[in-house]
Amino acid sequence: AQSVAQPEDQVKVAEGNPLTVKCTYSVSGNPYLFWYVQYPNRGLQFLLKYITGDNLVKGSYGFEAEFNKSQTSFHLKKPSALVSDSALYFCAVRDIRGYQKVTFGTGTKLQVIP
Amino acid sequence: DARVTQTPRHKVTEMGQEVTMRCQPILGHNTVFWYRQTMMQGLELLAYFRNRAPLDDSGMPKDRFSAEMPDATLATLKIQPSEPRDSAVYFCASGWPLAGDQETQYFGPGTRLLVL
Repeated sequence: AQSVAQPEDQVKVAEGNPLTVKCTYSVSGNPYLFWYVQYPNRGLQFLLKYITGDNLVKGSYGFEAEFNKSQTSFHLKKPSALVSDSALYFCAVRDIRGYQKVTFGTGTKLQVIP
Repeated sequence: DARVTQTPRHKVTEMGQEVTMRCQPILGHNTVFWYRQTMMQGLELLAYFRNRAPLDDSGMPKDRFSAEMPDATLATLKIQPSEPRDSAVYFCASGWPLAGDQETQYFGPGTRLLVL
């Protein structure tokens, strides 16, 4: 079975400071990993994904994430937070073997304080 | 700019009534997902289709929910009869895992359902 954990329900950071949203995963084989963002009253939007290759993945709006196989983590990061980054962030995983459905985490609410 | 569209955006109905939600996936996408989002349960996968065939609907209450794809441009999710506990935001997403944009799901704006 595959699973993903987002240990923080909420993260608060001051504007201009670096931000990190944590995600750990569990799969039997190798993972596909994703980050999505949800703004109020909107659907989820794709931010970035790790399929293969470089462990550091760059995505939309200046976000990046680092795949760490030994720690089974895929933390989302941004060097300098903007107030407009305030939203709900979802990590998702799927085992690359066969065709499994993607499993989403419970979401982390990011609040960037002016 | 291709987008997933969902109708209606909002629906208020009374318990026992039938509810039909519609989704138009992005043209050319062959995989369609239905999700439900609530504060208590978060994001739940209800069902998904590939090439219009249902692959997994294990997340869906079978006695009252049904999902279909009458054609490649339309997916429907029906609840009959509806109950107050069905109140949630229902999202449709589409994707095309065999293409270069591997695995990415594109979400619609959602249907906000309130069952009184």
